[in-house]
Amino acid sequence: RKEVEQDPGPFNVPEGATVAFNCTYSNSASQSFFWYRQDCRKEPKLLMSVYSSGNEDGRFTAQLNRASQYISLLIRDSKLSDSATYLCVVNLRTGANNLFFGTGTRLTVIP
Amino acid sequence: DVKVTQSSRYLVKRTGEKVFLECVQDMDHENMFWYRQDPGLGLRLIYFSYDVKMKEKGDIPEGYSVSREKKERFSLILESASTNQTSMYLCASSLMDGTFRADTQYFGPGTRLTVL
Repeated sequence: RKEVEQDPGPFNVPEGATVAFNCTYSNSASQSFFWYRQDCRKEPKLLMSVYSSGNEDGRFTAQLNRASQYISLLIRDSKLSDSATYLCVVNLRTGANNLFFGTGTRLTVIP
Repeated sequence: DVKVTQSSRYLVKRTGEKVFLECVQDMDHENMFWYRQDPGLGLRLIYFSYDVKMKEKGDIPEGYSVSREKKERFSLILESASTNQTSMYLCASSLMDGTFRADTQYFGPGTRLTVL
């Protein structure tokens, strides 16, 4: 079983739509959680960190549900520039950095 | 801004060649990482280092070695390249300060390696 699982998509949504991605993780000892964004042929970049039940940054909201072992990312009022792959990342915090990356969910925002 | 640079964006090598991938970061980060990224498999950790001359195996170290002689530089070595090592290679760095800031990894632009 994979440590982190995501729906690969693709999600094709019109501009202005609200879209949500879910990610599940297998290890209940996981300590910290992140969403990274990766544009086509570019490197991943941190989008949001999720340390408690969730946090919001403008149009983006990340939520954590420890009981069900999933995190979600909600994007409101989608823009064309939101088109990218979104990677769910989980840190087990056992010793040195130990990040597990999901395979990513691809989003395309359509004009 | 943290800057992580990699020596090449695209590289084509032949089977059996020795390949060096270089990574340099300019933010005095203790931790450095090498990943490969393949479609459907996501990012997989090859090796990481938390100090000069220190290295730890990741999930898929076979066929690779690393070198960290200076804090800012972390090299990935393919001793004898094979076609199944064709991939995107990403270097990353992070702090080690005992806080949650250490969780954030900063990635280089990647090297797309093709082994013929």
